[in-house]
Amino acid sequence: KAGVTQTPRYLIKTRGQQVTLSCSPISGHRSVSWYQQTPGQGLQFLFEYFSETQRNKGNFPGRFSGRQFSNSRSEMNVSTLELGDSALYLCASSPLAGGTTDTQYFGPGTRLTVL
Amino acid sequence: KQEVTQIPAALSVPEGENLVLNCSFTDSAIYNLQWFRQDPGKGLTSLLLIQSSQREQTSGRLNASLDKSSGRSTLYIAASQPGDSATYLCASPAGQGGKLIFGQGTELSVKP
Repeated sequence: KAGVTQTPRYLIKTRGQQVTLSCSPISGHRSVSWYQQTPGQGLQFLFEYFSETQRNKGNFPGRFSGRQFSNSRSEMNVSTLELGDSALYLCASSPLAGGTTDTQYFGPGTRLTVL
Repeated sequence: KQEVTQIPAALSVPEGENLVLNCSFTDSAIYNLQWFRQDPGKGLTSLLLIQSSQREQTSGRLNASLDKSSGRSTLYIAASQPGDSATYLCASPAGQGGKLIFGQGTELSVKP
């Protein structure tokens, strides 16, 4: 099976712009989670989608949003970019309900740089 | 609220040495604990997942243990190799669903 794929792999944006990142989960996986990784804060949970519904949300401002499509692919959007949004954004998928008993599989990430 | 801690932040060992990485968590009502490996600038690779009903899991040279009563998990790496150099992260679910709480990671360097 193909792994979790994320596009694009690298992005450079300027402050105030918006950006959309895409994640394709492993075939058959219905849960998709997003994480932000920075050197100072480590890995922080953004949100999780399951069957096109947001099931969990982390402590991030409303500028961060996401959605999931009927084929389980997911996108996240960041509006009005700030310098502090520079990070590695990771997507993870899991087969069923996620979290309690399922292994999560991570994609390679999208490296976002905000200038 | 679950909190996950990993100490030390960095570890350097000579090739061939057996080593233990530590992970502590605050909520003993843990569903499971997962260990990941991350190479610089890359995504996470799942190594082992221990369910709350289990005490340990093994994969090749890796052995992970879980002690809920003490709030600790360890990852044992036998006969370390330079290719094991990476950051190792542990994570626990925050309740139901796909939200994982991660430790800050231990950066391992295995010297030839």
